[in-house]
Amino acid sequence: QTVVTQEPSLTVSPGGTVTLTCASSTGAVTSDYYPSWLQQKPGQAPRALIYTTNNKHSWTPARFSGSLLGDKAALTLSGVQPEDEADYYCLLFYGGPWVFGGGTKLTVL
Amino acid sequence: EVQLVESGGGLVQPGESLRLSCAVSGIPDRNWMHWVRQAPGKGLVWVSRISSDGGITNYADSVKGRFTISRDNAKDTLFLQMNSLRVDDTAVYYCAGDNWGPAYWGQGTLVSVSS
Repeated sequence: QTVVTQEPSLTVSPGGTVTLTCASSTGAVTSDYYPSWLQQKPGQAPRALIYTTNNKHSWTPARFSGSLLGDKAALTLSGVQPEDEADYYCLLFYGGPWVFGGGTKLTVL
Repeated sequence: EVQLVESGGGLVQPGESLRLSCAVSGIPDRNWMHWVRQAPGKGLVWVSRISSDGGITNYADSVKGRFTISRDNAKDTLFLQMNSLRVDDTAVYYCAGDNWGPAYWGQGTLVSVSS
């Protein structure tokens, strides 16, 4: 069974920078996995932020960016705002099914 | 404006069936569609997807053989037929429109499976 792994939790100060990562049990994450990133706040539906590694949706704030970092996909938040406190999920494509990571709870403190 | 509105959730007993619907409007291109679920207090789990013409479907192993995804493009509606429901199928079920992955999301419908 394929497992996608994220940091369970991270803490960042307002105005700071933080990087979340996403690893696959099958090996290195590449652009072929079409890495996506989503944000979810309590009581709300998820909101897609990044697709195909580093592309932003029209509604994605500029401070969010996606990349590949070593053998993982990464989401970087620069100039973190208090409203960025949320759960973040990565999502990878495995040639048919997609698999979510377990999510990272980001605290802005 | 993009709108996805799920319906059909409810409380059922183990072994029973339920059919979810998702009314879609405003998505720029008819594309793949997904179902994603989230158990109470847990993370997102991808469930299934269907191609734009309905000819290709994929499922998570946990629902394969029990759930069936379909769509009616004439009515811009996505469906999820769920059979042999189990207690661990309890979750909020979201439909999502694809843009290189689930991009446009509904607000979800709650499915509770309990005896």
